[in-house]
Amino acid sequence: EAGVAQSPRYKIIEKRQSVAFWCNPISGHATLYWYQQILGQGPKLLIQFQNNGVVDDSQLPKDRFSAERLKGVDSTLKIQPAKLEDSAVYLCASSSGGQGRGWRYFGPGTRLLVL
Amino acid sequence: AQKVTQAQTEISVVEKEDVTLDCVYETRDTTYYLFWYKQPPSGELVFLIRRNSFDEQNEISGRYSWNFQKSTSSFNFTITASQVVDSAVYFCALSEAGAAGNKLTFGGGTRVLVKP
Repeated sequence: EAGVAQSPRYKIIEKRQSVAFWCNPISGHATLYWYQQILGQGPKLLIQFQNNGVVDDSQLPKDRFSAERLKGVDSTLKIQPAKLEDSAVYLCASSSGGQGRGWRYFGPGTRLLVL
Repeated sequence: AQKVTQAQTEISVVEKEDVTLDCVYETRDTTYYLFWYKQPPSGELVFLIRRNSFDEQNEISGRYSWNFQKSTSSFNFTITASQVVDSAVYFCALSEAGAAGNKLTFGGGTRVLVKP
């Protein structure tokens, strides 16, 4: 089965510019997650979708970050405007199980460098 | 609030040595799940193992084994007879079943370097 797809793999932008990332989860997975992983740290959950509804976005900097999953399948994460501290790897994951049981399958990530 | 601590930031071993990674967690839930993930240089997080809070039986899977002790809130992971391909960052993670969205919280990771 195909894994979680993400694009682009790499992105370099200047601060105050906008950027968008795309994620296509594993087919049939209702839950989709976006994580931010700053160099040298563990991934941090930004937002979690269950189908097309938001379950948890408590750690999403909503003044500059936004995410959507309109049809309950693929998702986009946007940063506008970007700051230097947004330089990180953005990981998308999906799972089919609930109650913490489900395996979260992670995509390859998008490496963002903000100059 | 859930928290995961990996005190070891980096471990360096020679091939064929065993490597044990420490993980200590904090949670108020009685039902939770613990995971270990591997992140090779390519960047993708690879699922390794999962245990639920009701099962303290320690097992071995190939060269991997784990020691889950609720009394000390520890979930340590061992790679036996390490190989160069085991070089990666390893993350311990916790998911509380009662938390909204079953949030997965990661530790800071331990970088393992296996030298030939």
